[in-house]
Amino acid sequence: SQTIHQWPATLVQPVGSPLSLECTVEGTSNPNLYWYRQAAGRGLQLLFYSVGIGQISSEVPQNLSASRPQDRQFILSSKKLLLSDSGFYLCAWSPSPQETQYFGPGTRLLVL
Amino acid sequence: SQQGEEDPQALSIQEGENATMNCSYKTSINNLQWYRQNSGRGLVHLILIRSNEREKHSGRLRVTLDTSKKSSSLLITASRAADTASYFCAFLDYGGSQGNLIFGKGTKLSVKP
Repeated sequence: SQTIHQWPATLVQPVGSPLSLECTVEGTSNPNLYWYRQAAGRGLQLLFYSVGIGQISSEVPQNLSASRPQDRQFILSSKKLLLSDSGFYLCAWSPSPQETQYFGPGTRLLVL
Repeated sequence: SQQGEEDPQALSIQEGENATMNCSYKTSINNLQWYRQNSGRGLVHLILIRSNEREKHSGRLRVTLDTSKKSSSLLITASRAADTASYFCAFLDYGGSQGNLIFGKGTKLSVKP
C-alpha cells in the first residue's frame, strides 16, 4: 500500500534562517506531488505541484521554493524565513491529476 | 475567487444527531471531493463525486451534488464524538488539467457525547 511521510513533524525557526521540509512517498511510481500551506483556521493554499522529476510549478509568488530530486521525494525550501511563513505545511500525492489526493501528516512551522 | 465556500463555518451537535454541511462553488467542475481533518493532522479523503453524479453514499456519509446550483452537501448520519473534525470540500477546476484542487475554508464540526 502507498504511504506518505513528512518530516520534521514540528519545527521552530528564527526569522532569516533557512528551511528544508521533506516529503517522501512509498508504494507508487511517478506520483503527482503537491505542497500546501494551511494558516490557522483556514483552508489549504496550494504552493507547488510536480508531475515529474525536476518539474515544478508554482502557484503563488513567495520566498519559498520546491524541488523534486527523485521520483518520490518532494522538498520545500527557503533561504530566509519570514514571520508570515509560519503555518501548517502539507504534502500530498495523487496517481493522476484527476484523482483523489492523499495527504501526509503535515509539518507545523513556527517562525519567531 | 475560485475558492469553495462551506456553510456553516462551525456546527455543534449532540451524538446521534445528523450533521449537514454545504459547499458552494463558482466554476464548472470535473469532480468534487470531501475531506476530513482532525486537529493538527493531515487531511483524509472521504468521498469523490463526479460532475455527472447526483448522490453518493459511503457508510454513514451521504454526498449530493447539484451542478445547476453549483453546490454540494455532506450528510453524516447518527453522528459520533469521533466525527469531531473539520470538513473541507475541494473541487477540480474544469480547466485544471494539472489537477489543482481548490479547497474551501472548512466546516468545524463538534459532536458532543
